[in-house]
Amino acid sequence: GQQVMQIPQYQHVQEGEDFTTYCNSSTTLSNIQWYKQRPGGHPVFLIQLVKSGEVKKQKRLTFQFGEAKKNSSLHITATQTTDVGTYFCAGPSVPGANNLFFGTGTRLTVIP
Amino acid sequence: EPEVTQTPSHQVTQMGQEVILRCVPISNHLYFYWYRQILGQKVEFLVSFYNNEISEKSEIFDDQFSVERPDGSNFTLKIRSTKLEDSAMYFCASSRVYSNQPQHFGDGTRLSIL
Repeated sequence: GQQVMQIPQYQHVQEGEDFTTYCNSSTTLSNIQWYKQRPGGHPVFLIQLVKSGEVKKQKRLTFQFGEAKKNSSLHITATQTTDVGTYFCAGPSVPGANNLFFGTGTRLTVIP
Repeated sequence: EPEVTQTPSHQVTQMGQEVILRCVPISNHLYFYWYRQILGQKVEFLVSFYNNEISEKSEIFDDQFSVERPDGSNFTLKIRSTKLEDSAMYFCASSRVYSNQPQHFGDGTRLSIL
């Protein structure tokens, strides 16, 4: 079955350092979404990528979708304590499906 | 900003009992979903619902589970005979349309089976 793995599983950074999480799918994805879940909170939508090789930026966050549409990354520049949480990538289980198959997540801790 | 609301926030139930989790999706959204998250693990899809019927379901969503939209606003998840392994956070989500649309999640119901 489909697998979506993220690395690293955990990341501790000093405030101000950069952070990157990588998402790898066993199958080609028609699109990929990124969600952030604060400790004790619910997933919150960050962004969606659809095109092969697409790059999108949101302030300090940069999202990339791989050329083969099987991998993606999220890079945060100059982390802040408000960036703490678990970052999940997610995509439809099969093209056209109206569900989300979540990745394993990367839990980010930012040390002040 | 409109939100998905879920009640109760925490439900404690004896094993074997039935439980109903309730959700009010965002009012102009057409697609509704249930996900679960076992503590410390990833979010897992259970079921999607559109036009008063199940659209898709995962292997987790077996005969013990059912969903219903009893009126114009509520969307419920029923677990008929709970097991210990049903203990998890259950999230309801909704989206305006399907496929490629952001999903908006509620705060979740923490279900504890004793």
